[in-house]
Amino acid sequence: QLQLQESGPGLVKPSETLSLTCSVSGDSISSSSYYWGWVRQSPGKGLEWIVTIYYSGSAYSNPSLKSRVTTSVDTSKNQFSLRLSSVTAADTAVYYCAELQRFGEFSYFGPWGHGTLVTVSS
Amino acid sequence: SYELTQPPSVSVSPGETARITCSGDVLTKQYVHWYQQKPGQAPVVVIYKDSERPSGIPERFSGSRSGTTVTLTISGVQAEDEADYHCQSGDSTSTNEVFGGGTKLTVL
Repeated sequence: QLQLQESGPGLVKPSETLSLTCSVSGDSISSSSYYWGWVRQSPGKGLEWIVTIYYSGSAYSNPSLKSRVTTSVDTSKNQFSLRLSSVTAADTAVYYCAELQRFGEFSYFGPWGHGTLVTVSS
Repeated sequence: SYELTQPPSVSVSPGETARITCSGDVLTKQYVHWYQQKPGQAPVVVIYKDSERPSGIPERFSGSRSGTTVTLTISGVQAEDEADYHCQSGDSTSTNEVFGGGTKLTVL
């Protein structure tokens, strides 16, 4: 059973870069069967998909965030990471990492990490 | 980009049937998955591929489709079912994911 855990600063200043890491336990992140994702939820709002990451490092980002999103995978630490640049108050949200179950013609998320709140404020 | 539309809220009494819809033009070609999210918790998938139920999810949760509208049905609603429900699908390229705005289910 996979377990995921997000980590990173809970407070980021406007215009700076948000950096989060997801640590995976229960299996190797470099298994070719795994895709990973980041999803966020602004306070009182719905879920927003940010990016899907393959263990090889290739990634697909939400077009509305693509210019600010960078991702990486560290197979030695069994972790994958998200960096979101030039943040504003609108980026304040709970950020979740999750496994993306892909079946060719469809994909869904699960399991998820517990989520980490990131607040953008000076 | 494309959108998935859900009603903001649905209210039912215990024992009744709750129906939550998710609609969008892309749904003619894409499956929908449903997540339950309780306050302070991460989402949990309750239905995937329109109508498939993961192991451990009660049988009262079911899904169906009519054209570009997919419906999550909770039969015999219990107080513990009070939560936010989110639908999710992929776009035509199958590389981008999108969520609906979420529906708050209130058990009266």
